[in-house]
Amino acid sequence: KNEVEQSPQNLTAQEGEFITINCSYSVGISALHWLQQHPGGGIVSLFMLSSGKKKHGRLIATINIQEKHSSLHITASHPRDSAVYICASGGGADGLTFGKGTHLIIQP
Amino acid sequence: DAGVIQSPRHEVTEMGQEVTLRCKPISGHNSLFWYRQTMMRGLELLIYFNNNVPIDDSGMPEDRFSAKMPNASFSTLKIQPSEPRDSAVYFCASSPTGIDNEQFFGPGTRLTVL
Repeated sequence: KNEVEQSPQNLTAQEGEFITINCSYSVGISALHWLQQHPGGGIVSLFMLSSGKKKHGRLIATINIQEKHSSLHITASHPRDSAVYICASGGGADGLTFGKGTHLIIQP
Repeated sequence: DAGVIQSPRHEVTEMGQEVTLRCKPISGHNSLFWYRQTMMRGLELLIYFNNNVPIDDSGMPEDRFSAKMPNASFSTLKIQPSEPRDSAVYFCASSPTGIDNEQFFGPGTRLTVL
């Protein structure tokens, strides 16, 4: 059974800081997803990756398949980045297993 | 495109009643997913469909839950009979092809079972 662990659970930082959120999973997967859930509850898919690195604006996601680990980085963080960030791993016929989420607060 | 559409947005019902949640995926997307989110368990995948066919329903909690996708533009998640522990936010998402692809989420239905 795949287990997904995220760290930290909660993170408060100052505007402009570099943010890193980590995700570890226990079994081999075909895809890892990073999601963002806004304070209002809406969910947005940020990245889906199976190897290497992806970048979108100030967001960067990396994955190390051998170590079963992924990181989400936010550069030049801004208060509007405040949200819950959720990773999910799995794929194919195995469905997705979700982490509990990281609550991020960026203070001005 | 209007994105993934879910209805109702909020539902309050009494224990024992039948509840039907509805989802319209993004046009042209071949995969549809139903998720449940609670404070205790976080997000959970309940079931997903490829080309209207259920692929993995191992996340469906019990026989009281059923999901259908009669055509490419409509899906329902039904709970009969509902129980207070079913109270959660239910999200529907769609993707162009399969689970290994970016998913687009609907706004969710907040279900409260009294």
